[in-house]
Amino acid sequence: DAGITQSPRHKVTETGTPVTLRCHQTENHRYMYWYRQDPGHGLRLIHYSYGVKDTDKGEVSDGYSVSRSKTEDFLLTLESATSSQTSVYFCAISGFAGGRGQPQHFGDGTRLSIL
Amino acid sequence: GNSVTQMEGPVTLSEEAFLTINCTYTATGYPSLFWYVQYPGEGLQLLLKATKADDKGSNKGFEATYRKETTSFHLEKGSVQVSDSAVYFCALSDSGGSNYKLTFGKGTLLTVNP
Repeated sequence: DAGITQSPRHKVTETGTPVTLRCHQTENHRYMYWYRQDPGHGLRLIHYSYGVKDTDKGEVSDGYSVSRSKTEDFLLTLESATSSQTSVYFCAISGFAGGRGQPQHFGDGTRLSIL
Repeated sequence: GNSVTQMEGPVTLSEEAFLTINCTYTATGYPSLFWYVQYPGEGLQLLLKATKADDKGSNKGFEATYRKETTSFHLEKGSVQVSDSAVYFCALSDSGGSNYKLTFGKGTLLTVNP
């Protein structure tokens, strides 16, 4: 299995508080991704990174920011959490985008509840 | 844009039944296609993939064939087991300039009863 660790695995917090989720990889992969999974929506891309300090928005980026200061860590921050951000968050990594069929490998997820 | 449509679930089968989960796609380029599986409480795992037309991906008794003419990538298994109960996601990675991003279907929940 790909070496991906998400922390925390579960978190409950209140509306308006800041929240940071961490994704740590030991594979030295270039590409890292944050998704959210909600019933009826599948997985939707929030942000991704194609290198240290290189990030871009996905389809549901509003209310989220990311940072990648070193290859192995990709942080997702909710600056002021809202109830609509209650979800399961998955981190994924990928080694090389240039080749066809390069899969992404997923962490075990973080279940975030915002009350 | 890119999109993936897979059959709505849930799908409930008896053990040893034949499984088909339909998946069709639209893509701006020439995509690679994937099936992922998610067991309860876990992340997604790659099940199989295909990168060009008529390729057949296979793993653990599951198969899917890349059909460019019908833009489809249906998942099949000849005899399901209780342990196959999971959510299955079809996904594509487009070669049209953004091949590092995956577009997912909404997932199909499969329950296999003994």
